[in-house]
Amino acid sequence: EAGVAQSPRYKIIEKRQSVAFWCNPISGHATLYWYQQILGQGPKLLIQFQNNGVVDDSQLPKDRFSAERLKGVDSTLKIQPAKLEDSAVYLCASSALGVEAYEQYFGPGTRLTVT
Amino acid sequence: EDQVTQSPEALRLQEGESSSLNCSYTVSGLRGLFWYRQDPGKGPEFLFTLYSAGEEKEKERLKATLTKKESFLHITAPKPEDSATYLCAVQSNSNSGYALNFGKGTSLLVTP
Repeated sequence: EAGVAQSPRYKIIEKRQSVAFWCNPISGHATLYWYQQILGQGPKLLIQFQNNGVVDDSQLPKDRFSAERLKGVDSTLKIQPAKLEDSAVYLCASSALGVEAYEQYFGPGTRLTVT
Repeated sequence: EDQVTQSPEALRLQEGESSSLNCSYTVSGLRGLFWYRQDPGKGPEFLFTLYSAGEEKEKERLKATLTKKESFLHITAPKPEDSATYLCAVQSNSNSGYALNFGKGTSLLVTP
């Protein structure tokens, strides 16, 4: 079974530029998450989707971050404009419905460097 | 507010030297406690879920245990390939979704 796919793996941009990350979850997984992991920290949830609806975006900086999950499968996370403090690894995770929803499976992440 | 504290921050072991990693938590209704392993440049890899105090789970050289206030990840006779960062996370019943609240992790280095 294929895992969670993310692209690009690395991105370097200047501050005030925009950037987008893509995620394809495990086939059949209804729930998709975006986490931000700053160096030396654990991942922090940015947004959670169930199918194509938002369940929790309370920690998403909505003045600069946006995310969508069209058709309840792939998802895109965008930052516009980027700040230096956005330098981090952006992780996508997915989980199934039911008891299996408790277990989240992560992709390899996108490492963003803002200069 | 949910809190997860992991200790130690870093641990260096000789191959074969058993030890334990600690995860202390406060949560308003525990739905589950998770252990993940993260290798450099990779996403977290799922290891275990524990749901209630007294529960234990094992996988190869790893054993996870849970009490009402903390969880331990016991590593028996570790090998160099066990070197990684181990992350603990809690999932709360007060959360309408299934978001995980992570600790900062314990960085484990096992030397030959």
